[in-house]
Amino acid sequence: ETGVTQTPRHLVMGMTNKKSLKCEQHLGHNAMYWYKQSAKKPLELMFVYSLEERVENNSVPSRFSPECPNSSHLFLHLHTLQPEDSALYLCASSRGQGGTEAFFGQGTRLTVV
Amino acid sequence: LAKTTQPISMDSYEGQEVNITCSHNNIATNDYITWYQQFPSQGPRFIIQGYKTKVTNEVASLFIPADRKSSTLSLPRVSLSDTAVYYCLVGDSKGGKLIFGQGTELSVKP
Repeated sequence: ETGVTQTPRHLVMGMTNKKSLKCEQHLGHNAMYWYKQSAKKPLELMFVYSLEERVENNSVPSRFSPECPNSSHLFLHLHTLQPEDSALYLCASSRGQGGTEAFFGQGTRLTVV
Repeated sequence: LAKTTQPISMDSYEGQEVNITCSHNNIATNDYITWYQQFPSQGPRFIIQGYKTKVTNEVASLFIPADRKSSTLSLPRVSLSDTAVYYCLVGDSKGGKLIFGQGTELSVKP
């Protein structure tokens, strides 16, 4: 238990569906991150939020839309995804941005059919 | 951002000490060095962080030479459960993006 909770743990969606991934932390952290990890590959940074402001959008397609309503919650809204978007989506939080210790959730295993 | 280079994979046997070295030639003055461990289908887990010299905790030791252009994660007496991917990251608390490289896939055999 890392203190970062992601839901759902598994998600299967069609290419025309709209779904959202949720991440929640009550560690008092002020930075939150979304990562994508495809099979046997390193983590790819998607978005970074610091103090609820998006500070990084790592050239992510617009079919992925993040939302950070407060410092404890982070969402990733998904629409019209492609099969190649199937991956493990990981959320993390840290006290500061970047070099400090980050805590990761268990991830959401997404399958696009 | 400082780029890191690690071996892609390493093999070891139970009970051995494992040392994984990471190169970060362009490390900046404000950068810290952080190591994470990741098991399949799980999020990475923080192992250890350091700035210079040596840091030790209940899990590992981190050795950083004076020029800070490399670092070595040392895992004492590994067990089968230490089989995982180990990532070395460098960054500071103000501008870093927590970028993960390829990592080192450690396989511990009986």
